[in-house]
Amino acid sequence: KAGVTQTPRYLIKTRGQQVTLSCSPISGHRSVSWYQQTPGQGLQFLFEYFSETQRNKGNFPGRFSGRQFSNSRSEMNVSTLELGDSALYLCASSPIAGVGADTQYFGPGTRLTVL
Amino acid sequence: AQSVTQLDSQVPVFEEAPVELRCNYSSSVSVYLFWYVQYPNQGLQLLLKYLSGSTLVKGINGFEAEFNKSQTSFHLRKPSVHISDTAEYFCAVTMLSGGYQKVTFGTGTKLQVIP
Repeated sequence: KAGVTQTPRYLIKTRGQQVTLSCSPISGHRSVSWYQQTPGQGLQFLFEYFSETQRNKGNFPGRFSGRQFSNSRSEMNVSTLELGDSALYLCASSPIAGVGADTQYFGPGTRLTVL
Repeated sequence: AQSVTQLDSQVPVFEEAPVELRCNYSSSVSVYLFWYVQYPNQGLQLLLKYLSGSTLVKGINGFEAEFNKSQTSFHLRKPSVHISDTAEYFCAVTMLSGGYQKVTFGTGTKLQVIP
């Protein structure tokens, strides 16, 4: 099976712009989570989507939004970019196998630089 | 609320020496525990996980971890490290909240293997 893919891998934007990042989960995985990774804050959970519905959300402002399509692919959007949004954005997918722990499989990330 | 503490931000160790990376967690409910490794400019890769059963868990690349419920710890160990083990290691805790899983990551430990 192909792994989690994220596009683009690198992105440079300027303050005030908006950006959309894409994530394709492993085939058959229905849950997609997004994380922001920065040197100062570490790995922070943004949100999780399952069957096109957001079911978990971290403590990020409304400028950060996402969606999931019927094929489980997910997009994350950040509007009105700020310098502090510069980070590695990681996407992770997981299979759903009843109630229990699901291992998350991570993509390589999108490195966003805001100038 | 759950939390994860990785006590050491950096651990230098000589090649072929043993290493232990510490992880403590707090949670009021049962948890599932994971260790991930992140190589430079890459996403996270699962090393091992504890769901239930034997408290000693063996993972990839010769790593193992022991779940200690009384001490709420899940320390990662390797008897003999290699240069290629130089990476950042993240401990993660998953708990069920409202029927959904919630994942919390530690701040990471950078393992530096010295030749």
